[in-house]
Amino acid sequence: DGGITQSPKYLFRKEGQNVTLSCEQNLNHDAMYWYRQDPGQGLRLIYYSQIVNDFQKGDIAEGYSVSREKKESFPLTVTSAQKNPTAFYLCASSRTGGGDTQYFGPGTRLTVL
Amino acid sequence: GQQLNQSPQSMFIQEGEDVSMNCTSSSIFNTWLWYKQDPGEGPVLLIALYKAGELTSNGRLTAQFGITRKDSFLNISASIPSDVGIYFCAGHRSNFGNEKLTFGTGTRLTIIP
Repeated sequence: DGGITQSPKYLFRKEGQNVTLSCEQNLNHDAMYWYRQDPGQGLRLIYYSQIVNDFQKGDIAEGYSVSREKKESFPLTVTSAQKNPTAFYLCASSRTGGGDTQYFGPGTRLTVL
Repeated sequence: GQQLNQSPQSMFIQEGEDVSMNCTSSSIFNTWLWYKQDPGEGPVLLIALYKAGELTSNGRLTAQFGITRKDSFLNISASIPSDVGIYFCAGHRSNFGNEKLTFGTGTRLTIIP
């Protein structure tokens, strides 16, 4: 069954700690994306990767880091430098990075206490 | 980053009513996508449009790619309780290169008992 998985569904961390969110896809897609969603708002792009070992900053990259060592995996680290990390984080993938439809994972809700 | 203008922001309707929402931009788009997001879940693709003037249906949902390429419309006929959620439009300005997907601000649909 092809798709995008994100784990965990809910994550709690203390302020000042780094935390890594997992995103895996078995769709053989080249491109992967991370978005942040705040209550009642749309999606804001954090980072994206069009190919393995390459990634670019999105609109709100400060305080976040990513890696793309494998085609199927695109983990996101929320660092202690992110001033307001509590949010719903969505991972997506598309066949290529140029104009292809993006498919989303189920999301991870991060709460920083 | 740019976001598409989506209206209305919220809708309160009775079961069985038809629903219309739209998405507009000051720029020309080559692809329009419509997603639905249930609470606490990732957006799910409903309809993809690739050609100006295109009209595409998916069950009770019908979406149109505006002739000017600066807007798109989504209609839901005979609404049912499972239609509740947030509907997002998204668009690509270019089908090539590293052009990112631009999202609308969302339309929240609520069905009044």
